[in-house]
Amino acid sequence: NAGVTQTPKFQVLKTGQSMTLQCAQDMNHEYMSWYRQDPGMGLRLIHYSVGAGITDQGEVPNGYNVSRSTTEDFPLRLLSAAPSQTSVYFCASSISGLGSYEQYFGPGTRLTVT
Amino acid sequence: QQQVKQSPQSLIVQKGGISIINCAYENTAFDYFPWYQQFPGKGPALLIAIRPDVSEKKEGRFTISFNKSAKQFSLHIMDSQPGDSATYFCAASMKRGNTPLVFGKGTRLSVIA
Repeated sequence: NAGVTQTPKFQVLKTGQSMTLQCAQDMNHEYMSWYRQDPGMGLRLIHYSVGAGITDQGEVPNGYNVSRSTTEDFPLRLLSAAPSQTSVYFCASSISGLGSYEQYFGPGTRLTVT
Repeated sequence: QQQVKQSPQSLIVQKGGISIINCAYENTAFDYFPWYQQFPGKGPALLIAIRPDVSEKKEGRFTISFNKSAKQFSLHIMDSQPGDSATYFCAASMKRGNTPLVFGKGTRLSVIA
């Protein structure tokens, strides 16, 4: 199993550009989440999904869209990038539930918005 | 509202020493308390977890101590090694109702020789 994979690993965007961060898992996990990590702020939940076709907002959803058309994929879209979205983004999945203590994280995407 | 408070924000420990990271929570409905370890450039990974009906759990050099009445739990790393240098996150889990995992803000541990 590859586990949770994320692409790209690094990305630089100009303000106003849009892009999609890809996340895929091959463990047949129903539950998937997107987090952003900023210095001193810990991991903050952006959006999550409890299954294909079902998504909901987390703590910091503004400026981001998600969709979940398959169990495997959970892409995160930045609609119009802003410097405040400069961060490291992590995708996570779980078989046991959104609140399961055992979450599997991807390697992250480091995004810089200039 | 921060549901899990973690301290210290950063920690420097001599090789062979004991690293201690503390967390406190408010919601008594939490039913599992995991710790995640994150190395630079990597995603967090589950290190160890404890249920609230257990006061201590040990896995190798890593021990979680849990104080239910004080609503506090801590991670102890015995005989700390430079390879333990990482960011550590405590978290609280509530499986009922699909409530997302709640993370502390993290502690950056540096173990120096």
